[in-house]
Amino acid sequence: DADVTQTPRNRITKTGKRIMLECSQTKGHDRMYWYRQDPGLGLRLIYYSFDVKDINKGEISDGYSVSRQAQAKFSLSLESAIPNQTALYFCATSVWTDFEETQYFGPGTRLLVL
Amino acid sequence: SQQGEEDPQALSIQEGENATMNCSYKTSINNLQWYRQNSGRGLVHLILIRSNEREKHSGRLRVTLDTSKKSSSLLITASRAADTASYFCATANQAGTALIFGKGTTLSVSS
Repeated sequence: DADVTQTPRNRITKTGKRIMLECSQTKGHDRMYWYRQDPGLGLRLIYYSFDVKDINKGEISDGYSVSRQAQAKFSLSLESAIPNQTALYFCATSVWTDFEETQYFGPGTRLLVL
Repeated sequence: SQQGEEDPQALSIQEGENATMNCSYKTSINNLQWYRQNSGRGLVHLILIRSNEREKHSGRLRVTLDTSKKSSSLLITASRAADTASYFCATANQAGTALIFGKGTTLSVSS
């Protein structure tokens, strides 16, 4: 979905390096999410944010941090990358209507930690 | 944690056949959603079914929900090669603050 963009699309880094994955959206949604996807494990929630001042940990937040710079921008940082953080990372936004949420995903960032 | 589990994990069919995949979940829900993911891409929302609905249609998609069995099924009729993708069900966590996705069913449709 071109309304949710992620940069970079692919990244190779070394153990111990700090890296940042960025997400931008033009959908005007307040809610944003970061997930990682590993083969056989589906999507797991890392962090989510309901607005600029609201940040929440997800299922697997250890080793990650986030920053919500603006309504449209939500960045994920790996403070000191390790090989088991090699995965496909997705950003998503959502809108709630009548207690129902639909999420819109970015194209993903493929991260390899050596 | 509340989570949908899809079944089967993988499904291979011929073009023109119907594909059925199932999702089971653990606790009560307000609604259940199905998403599709083409290889290496982001998930795309397909359809949402509310807890008071038993069946819903969208084009070649038919979703059913049985809240007594805590299960849902997604039927794709007259499948096409372009339907090849992974399909995920999703339900809200108990706090209602995030979606929990299952591990997905990988569908392969050959021509």
